[in-house]
Amino acid sequence: EDQVTQSPEALRLQEGESSSLNCSYTVSGLRGLFWYRQDPGKGPEFLFTLYSAGEEKEKERLKATLTKKESFLHITAPKPEDSATYLCAVPSSGGYNKLIFGAGTRLAVHP
Amino acid sequence: EPEVTQTPSHQVTQMGQEVILRCVPISNHLYFYWYRQILGQKVEFLVSFYNNEISEKSEIFDDQFSVERPDGSNFTLKIRSTKLEDSAMYFCASSDLQNQPQHFGDGTRLSIL
Repeated sequence: EDQVTQSPEALRLQEGESSSLNCSYTVSGLRGLFWYRQDPGKGPEFLFTLYSAGEEKEKERLKATLTKKESFLHITAPKPEDSATYLCAVPSSGGYNKLIFGAGTRLAVHP
Repeated sequence: EPEVTQTPSHQVTQMGQEVILRCVPISNHLYFYWYRQILGQKVEFLVSFYNNEISEKSEIFDDQFSVERPDGSNFTLKIRSTKLEDSAMYFCASSDLQNQPQHFGDGTRLSIL
């Protein structure tokens, strides 16, 4: 069964304190892994797509990496405005574009 | 930057009534989706739509639900005879190709009383 598990559930950081969020997945024939940011009361905002193991993508203080079993979202020197829930999703193995989401990591960055 | 827009932002309805949630996907996108997120739970897939027909639906998407693209810009989700457990955030999304990122709207909060 397709599954996406994210850890930790919640993470509290001081401003400038770098850390990593984990997304492990179980799916046959990975057709991409997507990272989203979700602010309270808003829809998921697309951040990155990774398609193959070893691939990396960067945007400002965020860097996403992918292995055959998991993805990491590295946050370097975070700022309070990086506080949000970060979601990971993969297309299901049996379907067209149905995305399977993880439960997310709630990140709080304090000044 | 193009975006997906959803209306209304909040809908309050009595149990048993019908609701229509509306979405305007990004204009050159071909694939359209509805997801929902019950408070405190994961985002879960409802249905995908391509070439004027449903391409996939989840177990949640039963006969109570229907989708339509009534014109070249709108995409709607209709829920007939709403139940208390239909209360959730409903997100519309679109993508230009298969396996490309899905872009989400800010959702409609549906509250069933």
